[in-house]
Amino acid sequence: GQQVMQIPQYQHVQEGEDFTTYCNSSTTLSNIQWYKQRPGGHPVFLIQLVKSGEVKKQKRLTFQFGEAKKNSSLHITATQTTDVGTYFCAGRSLYNQGGKLIFGQGTELSVKP
Amino acid sequence: EPEVTQTPSHQVTQMGQEVILRCVPISNHLYFYWYRQILGQKVEFLVSFYNNEISEKSEIFDDQFSVERPDGSNFTLKIRSTKLEDSAMYFCASSGIGGAYNSPLHFGNGTRLTVT
Repeated sequence: GQQVMQIPQYQHVQEGEDFTTYCNSSTTLSNIQWYKQRPGGHPVFLIQLVKSGEVKKQKRLTFQFGEAKKNSSLHITATQTTDVGTYFCAGRSLYNQGGKLIFGQGTELSVKP
Repeated sequence: EPEVTQTPSHQVTQMGQEVILRCVPISNHLYFYWYRQILGQKVEFLVSFYNNEISEKSEIFDDQFSVERPDGSNFTLKIRSTKLEDSAMYFCASSGIGGAYNSPLHFGNGTRLTVT
């Protein structure tokens, strides 16, 4: 079945350092979404990417969708303590576009002030 | 801003007992989901629901699980005979009129189920 893999599992950074998490799908995706889950909280939608090669920015966050629509990345520039949480990518298979959204394992980011 | 609400926030039950987890999705949403998250692990798909029927379910969602939308507002997940391994955070989510293809999921705060 469809699998979405994410690395690294954990990332500890000093405040001000950059952070990147990578997401890979076993199948071509129709779109990819990114969510952030604060400790003890629920996943909160950040952004969706639909087009091959798409790049979107939200302030210090940059999201990319690969040309083959099988991978994606989230890059945070100059991390802040408010960035702490687990970042999940989630994708729907191109071949089952109305189907389930499959989440990656998440990357837990901790930021040391 | 409208939100998905879930009750209870924490449910403790004995193995073999039935539990019902309740959710009120965002009112104009059409697609409803249950996901679960074992502590520290990934968010796992259980089931999706549209037009009063299950549209997709995972291998986890076996005969012990069922979902229902008993009225116009509630969406419930029932586990008939709980097992220790059912202990997890259960998230309800809904998505909007953009349809299943592109709409983001709006998650509730979750119900933490502890089976003893």
